[in-house]
Amino acid sequence: NAGVTQTPKFQVLKTGQSMTLQCAQDMNHNSMYWYRQDPGMGLRLIYYSASEGTTDKGEVPNGYNVSRLNKREFSLRLESAAPSQTSVYFCASSVTGANTGELFFGEGSRLTVL
Amino acid sequence: GESVGLHLPTLSVQEGDNSIINCAYSNSASDYFIWYKQESGKGPQFIIDIRSNMDKRQGQRVTVLLNKTVKHLSLQIAATQPGDSAVYFCAEPSLIFGKGTTLSVSS
Repeated sequence: NAGVTQTPKFQVLKTGQSMTLQCAQDMNHNSMYWYRQDPGMGLRLIYYSASEGTTDKGEVPNGYNVSRLNKREFSLRLESAAPSQTSVYFCASSVTGANTGELFFGEGSRLTVL
Repeated sequence: GESVGLHLPTLSVQEGDNSIINCAYSNSASDYFIWYKQESGKGPQFIIDIRSNMDKRQGQRVTVLLNKTVKHLSLQIAATQPGDSAVYFCAEPSLIFGKGTTLSVSS
């Protein structure tokens, strides 16, 4: 049972380039999340999807877009990468939405924007 | 605004000691809290949770205490081991994370 799988694990981009981070879960969870983690800042929510077909902004959505492709997959897209988006990105899922149970996290995707 | 914070960014203990990691929250309406552990290079993992109708909950070597009066919760780790070295986050209620406390255990 793989849990939450993120790809790629590492990526280097130049300023202005675009890319998509992929996330898939095999636990039949309804809710999925994207966080970024920066030193000294903890985890900050970028976007979340409470259920298939819905997405909502989190604390730091600027510069990002998301797609809930189906129940399993939730992708995060950077249309024009900036150095400020250098971070470690974590995808997570939960059975249902916030306040109901734990999040299951992927291993993270380390992104560097030059 | 809402926030969840930890009192100390780092905590160093000796193997076998008991560790206490603290967390303060600002939203008095919060009714569910989770503690996560994040080892180096990995994603956070669930440790224990507590709902606001409880003051205390125990797991294996871990205890979470919730004081709603002062909006404070703590994670106690008994007989701390080197494998407990990690960053610990409190979260409320899944969308807001504290900044984390790095626990270092020396043997």
